[in-house]
Amino acid sequence: EAGVAQSPRYKIIEKRQSVAFWCNPISGHATLYWYQQILGQGPKLLIQFQNNGVVDDSQLPKDRFSAERLKGVDSTLKIQPAKLEDSAVYLCASSLGEGLYGYTFGSGTRLTVV
Amino acid sequence: GDSVTQMEGPVTLSEEAFLTINCTYTATGYPSLFWYVQYPGEGLQLLLKATKADDKGSNKGFEATYRKETTSFHLEKGSVQVSDSAVYFCALRRTSGTYKYIFGTGTRLKVLA
Repeated sequence: EAGVAQSPRYKIIEKRQSVAFWCNPISGHATLYWYQQILGQGPKLLIQFQNNGVVDDSQLPKDRFSAERLKGVDSTLKIQPAKLEDSAVYLCASSLGEGLYGYTFGSGTRLTVV
Repeated sequence: GDSVTQMEGPVTLSEEAFLTINCTYTATGYPSLFWYVQYPGEGLQLLLKATKADDKGSNKGFEATYRKETTSFHLEKGSVQVSDSAVYFCALRRTSGTYKYIFGTGTRLKVLA
């Protein structure tokens, strides 16, 4: 089966600019997750979707981050405006149900804010 | 709150050496436990899992046993290879609420030929 697709792989922007990341989960996976992985740290959940509804966005900085999953399939994560501390790898993952048996992760988007 | 603590890295071993990466957790209830591996430039890959106490997860020569009494899930491999060089993450999945995963900070393993 095809894996979780993410694009772009790399992005460099200046602070205060905006950026968007795209994710296409594994076909049939109802649950989609966006994680932020800062260098040297474990991934931190930003937002979790079940189909096209938000299940958990408690750690999403909503003043600058937004995410949508309009048709319950692919998803976009946006940052506007970006700050230096947003430099990280943004990982998308998906699972059939609620991840009892694990997630499948994409390769991530490495964001550098200068 | 729930948390996962891993031993700090980097861990440097010679090829064919025995590997242990310690992981302990704090959680209410009975979480599921996982080890993920991240190779350079790639996303995380599920390595193994255990969903209840005393379960042993295994894959590619790696093993970990869910120890409820010590709240641990240590990763072991009898003979490491250069290709095992990566960052290893221990994670738990909550059994209530939004079931989100909580990851440890990761342990970098470097295996020398």
